[in-house]
Amino acid sequence: AQSVTQLDSHVSVSEGTPVLLRCNYSSSYSPSLFWYVQHPNKGLQLLLKYTSAATLVKGINGFEAEFKKSETSFHLTKPSAHMSDAAEYFCVVGNFGNEKLTFGTGTRLTIIP
Amino acid sequence: DAGVIQSPRHEVTEMGQEVTLRCKPISGHDYLFWYRQTMMRGLELLIYFNNNVPIDDSGMPEDRFSAKMPNASFSTLKIQPSEPRDSAVYFCASSLGGSGNYGYTFGSGTRLTVV
Repeated sequence: AQSVTQLDSHVSVSEGTPVLLRCNYSSSYSPSLFWYVQHPNKGLQLLLKYTSAATLVKGINGFEAEFKKSETSFHLTKPSAHMSDAAEYFCVVGNFGNEKLTFGTGTRLTIIP
Repeated sequence: DAGVIQSPRHEVTEMGQEVTLRCKPISGHDYLFWYRQTMMRGLELLIYFNNNVPIDDSGMPEDRFSAKMPNASFSTLKIQPSEPRDSAVYFCASSLGGSGNYGYTFGSGTRLTVV
């Protein structure tokens, strides 16, 4: 069984300040973890993924996430927010060999000018 | 690669009419997924296929919904008859092998409005 919890439904940050989107997961096996981003009226785009290699994963647009097994967390961070980062972000968990992914409920990121 | 292609991008139809949504997955991907997204219910998995065979349709809301995948490059999601509560954005996604390793690639979605 696998599940994912996004701890914040909405996060607001000022442009130029750090971004932190929190995600905790549960998995019976070694997990694969993903972050997807969805801009308004667009599809979901893969930001980054963790699949049991390096625990610090770098993605597109300056985002990164760190896999912490002891804390069952996979938080998404970015050092400096940009207006174009305003979007919905989904944390996703899967297992190698399992075709179904489990999506979190999403975190809406608002950037304050 | 053109990615996952969905058509139409927008569909407005009257209650009771038949609606057909289309999806072309990425060439070589062996899994195809249909999702529905609404404000109230978020992202819901409706059905998925492996090598053109439906594997799990437990998310299909009722008999009015049906999905087919006649070949590796084409899938349809049909609603007949449509109802206003079917209004949503419908996404198609495809993946290669175990999605747990590769993730999904999503299409741009079809925004369905039933009036």
